[in-house]
Amino acid sequence: NAGVTQTPKFQVLKTGQSMTLQCAQDMNHEYMSWYRQDPGMGLRLIHYSVGAGITDQGEVPNGYNVSRSTTEDFPLRLLSAAPSQTSVYFCASSYRRGHGYTFGSGTRLTVV
Amino acid sequence: GIQVEQSPPDLILQEGANSTLRCNFSDSVNNLQWFHQNPWGQLINLFYIPSGTKQNGRLSATTVATERYSLLYISSSQTTDSGVYFCAVESMNYGGSQGNLIFGKGTKLSVKP
Repeated sequence: NAGVTQTPKFQVLKTGQSMTLQCAQDMNHEYMSWYRQDPGMGLRLIHYSVGAGITDQGEVPNGYNVSRSTTEDFPLRLLSAAPSQTSVYFCASSYRRGHGYTFGSGTRLTVV
Repeated sequence: GIQVEQSPPDLILQEGANSTLRCNFSDSVNNLQWFHQNPWGQLINLFYIPSGTKQNGRLSATTVATERYSLLYISSSQTTDSGVYFCAVESMNYGGSQGNLIFGKGTKLSVKP
């Protein structure tokens, strides 16, 4: 039982490049979400999904896209990376609304 | 949206000391959780506690929902307790929340040997 798996763990991008951060869970959780963590800011919600085919915006969605084609996977796409997107990104899942969050180990992204 | 404030922002303790971390929130909540982020960045769920009191070993938490605050108690602290403690809430009155947790900025705890 791997829980929530995020890849890659580290990534350096040049401004304007695109990439996808992967998140997969094997717990059959319906709810998944992406957060970014910046120094002194806590965790801020980017996008979330309450089930396959359903996604919605969180607090800081600009510059990011998501899709949820399966229950297991919830990738986060950066279409044109900017230095302001330098951050640590966390994916989380839970079995039902508001309960039992499990976080992945994070992806540290640097945009130069 | 709901505001979550944690205090103190930083706390330094000697090993063996006790501490209390506070979380204030600005609206009624369906859900409140405490997390510990260890020095390696991993986030661990400590408590799900929208109201009442729970205990897990040396850690306990109390939420007084009517007064909109929660407390996390750490007794006989150990160096492994170091890290950042986050409070996160789900607003009862924000219709689009869909179970989303809103995080405070955290309390950074350093336990010295």
